[in-house]
Amino acid sequence: ETGVTQTPRHLVMGMTNKKSLKCEQHLGHNAMYWYKQSAKKPLELMFVYNFKEQTENNSVPSRFSPECPNSSHLFLHLHTLQPEDSALYLCASSQGSGPNQPQHFGDGTRLSIL
Amino acid sequence: EDQVTQSPEALRLQEGESSSLNCSYTVSGLRGLFWYRQDPGKGPEFLFTLYSAGEEKEKERLKATLTKKESFLHITAPKPEDSATYLCAVQNTGANSKLTFGKGITLSVRP
Repeated sequence: ETGVTQTPRHLVMGMTNKKSLKCEQHLGHNAMYWYKQSAKKPLELMFVYNFKEQTENNSVPSRFSPECPNSSHLFLHLHTLQPEDSALYLCASSQGSGPNQPQHFGDGTRLSIL
Repeated sequence: EDQVTQSPEALRLQEGESSSLNCSYTVSGLRGLFWYRQDPGKGPEFLFTLYSAGEEKEKERLKATLTKKESFLHITAPKPEDSATYLCAVQNTGANSKLTFGKGITLSVRP
């Protein structure tokens, strides 16, 4: 496989469930990102990891818990979510953080909270 | 705080009808301006990075230009397969890698 792969593509969960989103990149990059994309709103950066270390948390509620076991894998653990958390969650990766190293995105997980 | 405004929100063109998409931005110091294309059900696909005013980049029917306040994505003789949402983002000269995105422009090209 090539590029950035996200699983599952679709997820429906109740507010009391616990689930995890998975992202894997096959590009040899060392930075990984989680974004939230809601209808009619710009992409919102959630978390940034560089070489497995979290370097940015964009004031994300604690019901979202990221995990980066290595530079190729990124998880987003979900628990006790709210209806307003329904959105498309996108993972991205890049080789470093400079503008000449653009972020490459996966196709996202469409999350629906009942 | 960095801001990106894209206009129009949606654009409908006839095949072959050239037009431009606008991205206005304010940023403390521009490190790079990015254009992405997003198809329904897909993640954003990288198109261009522009670094400084006066710079231009081209790819097939697309040409991106940059001034100190805005960027344009010119589409020449578009085809139906150019239909997508086009996203603009800026990265400032701060230490982190954060991109600030606009809401996007949804382009529909009718055959």
